[in-house]
Amino acid sequence: GAVVSQHPSRVICKSGTSVKIECRSLDFQATTMFWYRQFPKKSLMLMATSNEGSKATYEQGVEKDKFLINHASLTLSTLTVTSAHPEDSSFYICSARIDRGTGELFFGEGSRLTVL
Amino acid sequence: GNSVTQMEGPVTLSEEAFLTINCTYTATGYPSLFWYVQYPGEGLQLLLKATKADDKGSNKGFEATYRKETTSFHLEKGSVQVSDSAVYFCALGGGHTDKLIFGTGTRLQVFP
Repeated sequence: GAVVSQHPSRVICKSGTSVKIECRSLDFQATTMFWYRQFPKKSLMLMATSNEGSKATYEQGVEKDKFLINHASLTLSTLTVTSAHPEDSSFYICSARIDRGTGELFFGEGSRLTVL
Repeated sequence: GNSVTQMEGPVTLSEEAFLTINCTYTATGYPSLFWYVQYPGEGLQLLLKATKADDKGSNKGFEATYRKETTSFHLEKGSVQVSDSAVYFCALGGGHTDKLIFGTGTRLQVFP
C-alpha cells in the first residue's frame, strides 16, 4: 500500500525556537496532504489542508503564522511550528489523500513535539 | 453538515471476547466509510472501508457493514486479542465532502 513517512518522529526544543516537520509520500504523488494535531485522550483535530503549489487552507482557529505549511512538491509537505511554546507540545500527524473519490487517507507515523 | 459519532470508551474486554464499537453518521450525498486504528505511539492505519451501502469491509478479523437505513458502520470482531488494544476511529469521506471527518475515537483495552 501507499506509504507516508514523517520526520522527525520525536523532537524536543526550547521555547521560542522553530521546528520543522516533514511529510513525504514515498511511492505516490500527493497533490493534497492534511495536517492533524492530536491532543491527549486521542481526539484528532484537522489543522490545515496542504495543496501542492498553492497556499494551505487552514481550519478555523488555527494560526497561519504560527503553523507554516509548505507543499513545494508532489511528494513533500512541511509543517513549521514557529516560536514554539509549551502549549504547542502535541502529536502532529500528516496524511496524504490517494483517492479523491472516496477521500481515503494514508497517514504518517506522527511526530511528537515537546517544547520545554 | 457531515458528522461521525462514536461510542465513548474505553472498552475493556477479556481476550477472545466479542467486540462491537458503534459508529453512526450524518452525511449528504454518498460518502465512503472507514475504520482507522492507532496503536500506541503510532500514526493511524486504515483497518477497513466500505464505499457504498450494504458493502462490508473486513480485515484482520474485523468487519463493518455500511448500513444506509440506520446510518451506521459498527465495527465488530468475534474474538479479540491483546494485540488489538488500540484506539479505533470511525471516519467518513468522499461524496460531497472534501475532507475525511473523524469520530472522537474509542480506546479498546484487551486483557489476557
